[in-house]
Amino acid sequence: DIQMTQSPSTLSASVGDRVTITCRASQSISSWLAWYQQKPGKAPKLLIYDASSLESGVPSRFSGSGSGTEFTLTINSLQPDDFATYYCQQYNSFSWTFGQGTKVESK
Amino acid sequence: EVQLVESGGGLIQPGGSLRLSCAASGFTVSSNFMSWVRQAPGKGLEWVSVIYSGGATHYADSVKGRFTISRDNSKNTLFLQMNSLRAEDTGVYYCARDGSGAVAGPFDYWGQGTLVTVSS
Repeated sequence: DIQMTQSPSTLSASVGDRVTITCRASQSISSWLAWYQQKPGKAPKLLIYDASSLESGVPSRFSGSGSGTEFTLTINSLQPDDFATYYCQQYNSFSWTFGQGTKVESK
Repeated sequence: EVQLVESGGGLIQPGGSLRLSCAASGFTVSSNFMSWVRQAPGKGLEWVSVIYSGGATHYADSVKGRFTISRDNSKNTLFLQMNSLRAEDTGVYYCARDGSGAVAGPFDYWGQGTLVTVSS
């Protein structure tokens, strides 16, 4: 099974900051990676798919990059609504796997 | 508008069974890969099971042999039959649509989740 490892687990930031979250796959997954945002008590929301494609309706301050085994999610100019937990997910093999999550909290 | 609405969660004793439902609208369940994803209290997301558009199924090792995913095309509804429940099965269960069609892809729509608590 493909394992996904995110870092950091928690990130403290301020409004206006540029935030970067990393996700590593245990083997190459090409660009078959998605990023989700989850707020407490809510379902996850798709932000990025195919490593760098922005889901419709998602603000352009969110961007994704990477391929193979290393990927990043960047939030440019963090907004108050962006404090949440972020998950990466691989869909290279037919057994979808999530990273353990990165909580972005207010500094 | 695409909507997914789960139901069927509740408190169940260890060893018991529960059947979750996910009613879909705005699209056809049988035309998409449909998955169940769960989240233990305070923990991350765990993919549980998928039913492909062709009807084949696949499970995470943690639930294989205990859970069964199915669908009712006439009701456009997804199900998860959970047997031999354990305390570690406790969590919120989400149904999710894979929007990619015929290949594995990201989950573009999610239900609101239904809470399953396994406890004596």
